[in-house]
Amino acid sequence: EVQLVESGGGLVKSGESLRLSCAGSGFIFTDAWMGWVRQAPGKGLEWVGRIKSKTDGETREYAETVKGRFIISRDDSENTVYLQVNSLKTEDTAVYYCITYSSKSAYWGLGTLVTVSS
Amino acid sequence: QLVLTQSPSASASLGASVKLTCTLSSGHSSYTIAWHQQQPEKGPRYLMKVNSDGTHTKGDGIPDRFSGSSSGPERYLTISSLQSEDEADYYCQTWGTAGVFGGGTKLTVL
Repeated sequence: EVQLVESGGGLVKSGESLRLSCAGSGFIFTDAWMGWVRQAPGKGLEWVGRIKSKTDGETREYAETVKGRFIISRDDSENTVYLQVNSLKTEDTAVYYCITYSSKSAYWGLGTLVTVSS
Repeated sequence: QLVLTQSPSASASLGASVKLTCTLSSGHSSYTIAWHQQQPEKGPRYLMKVNSDGTHTKGDGIPDRFSGSSSGPERYLTISSLQSEDEADYYCQTWGTAGVFGGGTKLTVL
């Protein structure tokens, strides 16, 4: 069974940083493209970015709204993908979800809440 | 620019069928999309991906009541025999390319 477990969220002040983690199990992590999606309170889903597998060049892509502030990385030895969120703004307040895709399906984590206060 | 457009809301009666639409922007009508469901106070769940030829691939455990289809730039999610637990937000997303989400459709089961 595929499982994704996010952690690292919390309450921070504007301008501060956090590192979110997503631990995967039940699939071949080294082959997986891993993504992050966020959802602000009462709003829809917003794609944040993704990282391809090492085999596919470990290419990173980001939404324009976070480019330059957020960094996605992965540690295949730990089956974990990270989202470093820097220079946080109040509008970054959201639940951050991890997502992975196979050729036929997609799997979501339960999310971790990041709250940015002014 | 790739944009996915969804109606903000839809409603249908218990036991009836409903067809939700996701429209791809001009020049992107060949794209595959995914449908995700988000029930109240829960995280999203993958339902299926829908190809431009109308074929679809469902996720694990998704009931037969859920199906997908296509016509030109439109991708559809049809839910038949509506149940109360189908009341949820439904999002479409591009598949394969860097992710874009539609704004979501809030489905109310009457």
